Amino acid sequence: AQSVTQLDSHVSVSEGTPVLLRCNYSSSYSPSLFWYVQHPNKGLQLLLKYTSAATLVKGINGFEAEFKKSETSFHLTKPSAHMSDAAEYFCVVSGRTGGFKTIFGAGTRLFVKA
Amino acid sequence: DTGVSQNPRHKITKRGQNVTFRCDPISEHNRLYWYRQTLGQGPEFLTYFQNEAQLEKSRLLSDRFSAERPKGSFSTLEIQRTEQGDSAMYLCASSSKFETGSNEKLFFGSGTQLSVL
Repeated sequence: AQSVTQLDSHVSVSEGTPVLLRCNYSSSYSPSLFWYVQHPNKGLQLLLKYTSAATLVKGINGFEAEFKKSETSFHLTKPSAHMSDAAEYFCVVSGRTGGFKTIFGAGTRLFVKA
Repeated sequence: DTGVSQNPRHKITKRGQNVTFRCDPISEHNRLYWYRQTLGQGPEFLTYFQNEAQLEKSRLLSDRFSAERPKGSFSTLEIQRTEQGDSAMYLCASSSKFETGSNEKLFFGSGTQLSVL
């Protein structure tokens, strides 16, 4: 069985400061892990994915995430927040069989203050 | 490539009415998914098509819900006798036959927001 827990329902940062969105996962085998972003009135967009290659994954818009098996974590970070980063972020775990076993976390709303 | 398209963007209906949503996936994507997202939650899997075959259905999909993908291209999701609990965002996603298993990437539409009064 797989599950994913996003530890914060909302995070607020000031523009130019670092972003940390936390995600823990549970999986009985090596999972594929993703981060998606959802802007208002737009579809979910893939930020980055981990599929057992490098543990530090770089994504679009300056985001990156580190897979830590010992901590069962896949936290999303960005060195410097931009106003356009304000959105809902979803951590996602997927099984070997692909999309229909994809499980989304509850989401973290990121607020960016000027 | 125009992305995944969903229509309508918004639907308001009265309880007991039937509604139908349409999803046009990225052309030549052979897999298509329907998800439901309620306020404050992540999307939940509803059903999955590979070409025209419906291969998987979630227990969330009651008998009032039916999905089709008759020619393996666009798909429709129908909800009969809508209930207030059906109010949600219904998302469609598609993926390419060239990316399978752990390499699969989902491309999402903007969703159809359903409000049942």
